[in-house]
Amino acid sequence: GAGVSQSPSNKVTEKGKDVELRCDPISGHTALYWYRQSLGQGLEFLIYFQGNSAPDKSGLPSDRFSAERTGGSVSTLTIQRTQQEDSAVYLCASSAEGTHTDTQYFGPGTRLTVL
Amino acid sequence: KQEVTQIPAALSVPEGENLVLNCSFTDSAIYNLQWFRQDPGKGLTSLLLIQSSQREQTSGRLNASLDKSSGRSTLYIAASQPGDSATYLCAVLVYGQNFVFGPGTRLSVLP
Repeated sequence: GAGVSQSPSNKVTEKGKDVELRCDPISGHTALYWYRQSLGQGLEFLIYFQGNSAPDKSGLPSDRFSAERTGGSVSTLTIQRTQQEDSAVYLCASSAEGTHTDTQYFGPGTRLTVL
Repeated sequence: KQEVTQIPAALSVPEGENLVLNCSFTDSAIYNLQWFRQDPGKGLTSLLLIQSSQREQTSGRLNASLDKSSGRSTLYIAASQPGDSATYLCAVLVYGQNFVFGPGTRLSVLP
């Protein structure tokens, strides 16, 4: 079966523009995670969706960041009014049930460059 | 706040050597610890997952140990090969179901 996919693989945008990043989790996985990997910052958690529960947004760095998960499957991470410090690789992961015994499977990431 | 560190930051070894990568975390309240591999331009691949109640896991040439009380984990790679060259990330799963990652160890295995 297919793994986690993300699109686009690369995105270059101008400062101040909005961007949308897409994640397609493994079919049937109920949990979905977004992470950001920046130079000098390492990999940091952004947001977590589990089934129909309210998402855990505790990792979102500002109110310019938001994410949705439609129909319990595809997720979109939106960054409004992008800033240069938003440049990073954005990684999505999914797991079967979102429990601590689950393995998270990661997508290849979207590399975002804000000029 | 949970913090994860990894030593060394980079490591270069000749092919065939056995090596140890170290991971430390500040808060022992974790669900599990996972070691990942990341190749340039690619996502993360899970290598080993150790539940908080376990002490070690093995997969092929890889062995990972966990000492939760001291906040330490080691990843042992036996008979290293050039194909093992990658960045190795340690992550702990904290309550809330999200990972806190270490900065990684960049490994180069020279033929």
